[in-house]
Amino acid sequence: ETGVTQTPRHLVMGMTNKKSLKCEQHLGHNAMYWYKQSAKKPLELMFVYSLEERVENNSVPSRFSPECPNSSHLFLHLHTLQPEDSALYLCASSQEGYGNTIYFGEGSWLTVV
Amino acid sequence: DAKTTQPPSMDCAEGRAANLPCNHSTISGNEYVYWYRQIHSQGPQYIIHGLKNNETNEMASLIITEDRKSSTLILPHATLRDTAVYYCIVRVPFRPGGQNFVFGPGTRLSVLP
Repeated sequence: ETGVTQTPRHLVMGMTNKKSLKCEQHLGHNAMYWYKQSAKKPLELMFVYSLEERVENNSVPSRFSPECPNSSHLFLHLHTLQPEDSALYLCASSQEGYGNTIYFGEGSWLTVV
Repeated sequence: DAKTTQPPSMDCAEGRAANLPCNHSTISGNEYVYWYRQIHSQGPQYIIHGLKNNETNEMASLIITEDRKSSTLILPHATLRDTAVYYCIVRVPFRPGGQNFVFGPGTRLSVLP
């Protein structure tokens, strides 16, 4: 059971499609994250939002566009992706401050065809 | 880059204690050590964290050496369901008051019947 909910759990999209991944946290946290996990690779941090302001963008291509309309919701808009973008996309949230814990959702499996 | 090193894999017999080591020799005084696990590409699950004292919860114990350069996660009675990749993470601040989680490759623990 998790306080971070991701939808959809599975998504197949063509390279010319536009789709979005959604994340909602029910924990009252003020920071949210997107991570990418490709097959047999460690998690890679993509974006961080703190107090609804983007504070981290780890050289992610512009075909990935995050949006954080409020502290409970986070979106990842996808446009003209490549097959190598197929991966597990994980959303997480935390409360700002040392010693606080980050909690993950179950992830969205994305396949680009 | 991750600031921790872990063995890539370990085996443990079911019912025995699993001791997972982690080296973090460059840890700074205010950085916490966190442990997460990931089962079959689900979202990572929080296990435990600590600063300098040993910690115990319902899932595991965390032993941190006095110089804080290494730690050990102990699963006291491993079950088959504990088979997972275990990540040791040192909290890396990315801005004042904020934090970041950097995941390395982790240790793949296999609990054997």
